[in-house]
Amino acid sequence: TQLLEQSPQFLSIQEGENLTVYCNSSSVFSSLQWYRQEPGEGPVLLVTVVTGGEVKKLKRLTFQFGDARKDSSLHITAAQPGDTGLYLCAGAGRLNSGYALNFGKGTSLLVTP
Amino acid sequence: GAVVSQHPSWVICKSGTSVKIECRSLDFQATTMFWYRQFPKQSLMLMATSNEGSKATYEQGVEKDKFLINHASLTLSTLTVTSAHPEDSSFYICSARDPGTSGTAYEQYFGPGTRLTVT
Repeated sequence: TQLLEQSPQFLSIQEGENLTVYCNSSSVFSSLQWYRQEPGEGPVLLVTVVTGGEVKKLKRLTFQFGDARKDSSLHITAAQPGDTGLYLCAGAGRLNSGYALNFGKGTSLLVTP
Repeated sequence: GAVVSQHPSWVICKSGTSVKIECRSLDFQATTMFWYRQFPKQSLMLMATSNEGSKATYEQGVEKDKFLINHASLTLSTLTVTSAHPEDSSFYICSARDPGTSGTAYEQYFGPGTRLTVT
């Protein structure tokens, strides 16, 4: 059972377009992380959101944590080919789960010039 | 800071042999490390949680006798795939939690992964 549902699973857009990736769950998390992974490499942490309703910006990327801490979104403005990769959301801090992360299935993004 | 390395980055072995993968935290002490498996175009699947000085906690469906995990020091965890079979071929990734920075945020820092191919 996947605790975190990511959508869309695949996304192919042209350079300059905007996009939003969603990460939803019925569970409450203490924190939620977004990672970006390129083929053949390990995931790289982009951001951690902890407070319900929190919004964080990282250049052209905007991350939001839902008020109930069950969902999150990633919005990319004016996407560039360098944004291509697999975007993973991961929730942590569920009761009795220790420090383990629960990963969504990921969103594979392709940005073409 | 928070750099995690893995060795080797890729390995090819014959069916029936064993392979050891190392995961090191280079600039912090990690009391907890994690091992994941990833198939092409799929997300990460947690295999086990490795705690320094104690036995690893394996996820349901992961054979602990096949995937031996040792966390003998605060900077090193190893995963040994015993009697490897072609279906064990995968991308194995470790991560570590830096208690000095993660706090209650549960952040993990990932190694670059190890590509295992069993022939």
